[in-house]
Amino acid sequence: RKEVEQDPGPFNVPEGATVAFNCTYSNSASQSFFWYRQDCRKEPKLLMSVYSSGNEDGRFTAQLNRASQYISLLIRDSKLSDSATYLCVVKRDDKLIFGTGTRLQVFP
Amino acid sequence: NAGVTQTPKFRVLKTGQSMTLLCAQDMNHEYMYWYRQDPGMGLRLIHYSVGEGTTAKGEVPDGYNVSRLKKQNFLLGLESAAPSQTSVYFCASSQQPGGFTEAFFGQGTRLTVV
Repeated sequence: RKEVEQDPGPFNVPEGATVAFNCTYSNSASQSFFWYRQDCRKEPKLLMSVYSSGNEDGRFTAQLNRASQYISLLIRDSKLSDSATYLCVVKRDDKLIFGTGTRLQVFP
Repeated sequence: NAGVTQTPKFRVLKTGQSMTLLCAQDMNHEYMYWYRQDPGMGLRLIHYSVGEGTTAKGEVPDGYNVSRLKKQNFLLGLESAAPSQTSVYFCASSQQPGGFTEAFFGQGTRLTVV
């Protein structure tokens, strides 16, 4: 079992839809949490950090539940340009540990 | 404004050949990482470094060696390439190991071992 688990998708949604991704992590020593975005054949880039109180950045909302070891990402009003793979990432000790990613495809 | 630069971007090796992948960062970051990305497996950590002269093993270190002789460079070596090492390799750097500091990635090296 991977330390960080995600549903691989794909999630196919129309423009304007709201979509949510979930992620679970198995090691309670995980210290920090992030969502990265990776476009096809490109490098990953930071989308947002995830704070314990939850946080929002425009159309994106991230939530963390340490007790359940669960992280979520909500995207509202999906755009075509949101089509990408979303990677759940945890920091444990000196390492950044990635989930396998959830693929999102937004269609017109 | 280079950020993290990987060389080469593409390479085809024959089984048993050796090669070195170079990662260079110009952001004075302490931490550097090497990952490999395979379909369905996500990014898996090969080796990492928390500062000049230090290296540590990640999740999948076998068949690879690394060196961090200069703070700005992190080298990944394959001594005897195997087809199982066909993958996309990404290097990353961050000022801290995650925390609330962004990790920046290079553009990747696509390696095929035949």
